[in-house]
Order: sequence, then structure tokens, then C-alpha cells
Amino acid sequence: DIQMTQSPSSLSASVGDRVTITCRASQSISTYLNWYQQKPGKTPKLLIYTASSLHTGVPSRFSGSGSGTDFTLTISSLQPEDFATYYCQQSYSTPFTFGPGTKVDIK
Amino acid sequence: QVQLVESGGGVVQPGRSLRLSCAASGFTFSSYAMHWVRQAPGKGLEWVAVMSREGNNKYYVDSVKGRFTISRDNSNYTLYLQMNSLRAEDTAVYYCVRAGIAQGFYNWFDPWGQGTLVTVS
Repeated sequence: DIQMTQSPSSLSASVGDRVTITCRASQSISTYLNWYQQKPGKTPKLLIYTASSLHTGVPSRFSGSGSGTDFTLTISSLQPEDFATYYCQQSYSTPFTFGPGTKVDIK
Repeated sequence: QVQLVESGGGVVQPGRSLRLSCAASGFTFSSYAMHWVRQAPGKGLEWVAVMSREGNNKYYVDSVKGRFTISRDNSNYTLYLQMNSLRAEDTAVYYCVRAGIAQGFYNWFDPWGQGTLVTVS
């Protein structure tokens, strides 16, 4: 099974900050990497697919990059509605696995 | 618009069974692979199972193999998850999720249903 790790596990940031979250796969997954946002009590929402493609309706301040084993999610200017938990997920092989999540909260 | 509505969750004793349903609408159900993903209270996301659009391919996470069965009724736009021999560690919100594109299932998860809570106690 492919293991996914994320760092940091949590971070505190202010509105307007640039935020970067890292995701690492235990083996190469090409660009089969997706990012989701989940707010408390809510359903996860797709942000980025295939490592760098922005999902329809997602603000352009979100971006993704990487290939192989190392990936990043960047929020260029954090907005109040971005405080949430972010998960990466590999779709390269079953079992499809998620990272443990990165919680972004208000500083 | 695309909608996925899960039902069938509830409280069940260890060792018993439960069947979850997911009613799909707003898209051609038979064109997409479908997944179940779960989230234990206060924990992260865990993929559970996938079924191909025709139903001839199914895969499961190891922890549910032999206990859970994913199935679908394309004529009624419904996905199922039969859960047998339930354990306390199966307690979670179970989400019905569509494959992101109508080509296989090695892609992303979108959209997600609102989830149904299963409590094994």
C-alpha cells in the first residue's frame, strides 16, 4: 500500500498569509495526487486534481504542484473561509490512501 | 445538479450487519465508478471500496475485505454497501463518492454525499 504523509499536521496563519502544505507518497505516484478541503461538520470538497489542476469553482489563490513522491498545496493569500483541514490523496493504485490531514487555523 | 444521498446508517451491535444505500441523481450513473469513503469521529478520511461503472471490478481496503460488499443498481441509480460482522472500529461517517471523470476509477473523488453515520456499539 502507498503511504501518504503530510506536513505540517497543523499550522496557525493570518488572513493574507501565504500557506504551503506538503504531501509525500511512499513511492512514485506520477501526478495521481488530489487535494481536498474539509470544514468542521462538512463534507470534503475537491480542490486540486492530478497534482496541479484547479477544480471548477475553486479560487485561483489555491494551487498545487509536484510529481513523483513530493507535492505541495499553496494558498497564495489566506482568506477567512480557508480555515479548514486539507487532505492529500493518491489515486495511483488501490487502496486509495489519504494523508492524515493538515489543519489550518487562525493565528 | 449532481446529488448523492446516503441512507441506512444507525446504531448497530458488534457482529451485526447493516446496509447503506446511496441514491444518485443529476448524472448518468452507469457511466461512473463509485466509491465509499469513511471518516471515524474526529479522525481523517479512509477509502473503503470502489466499484467500476459496469460492476465487474471491485476493490476494498484490507480492513473490510471479506466483511463488506459494494454493489450497484444502475437501473435505479443506487450504490450499496453491505456491511457484515461489524466492529467498533467501523464506527464512522460513510460517504458515497463519485469518481471524478467517467473513465475508470484511478482519478479523483467528486462529488461527495453528505454522509451517513454508522455507530457500532
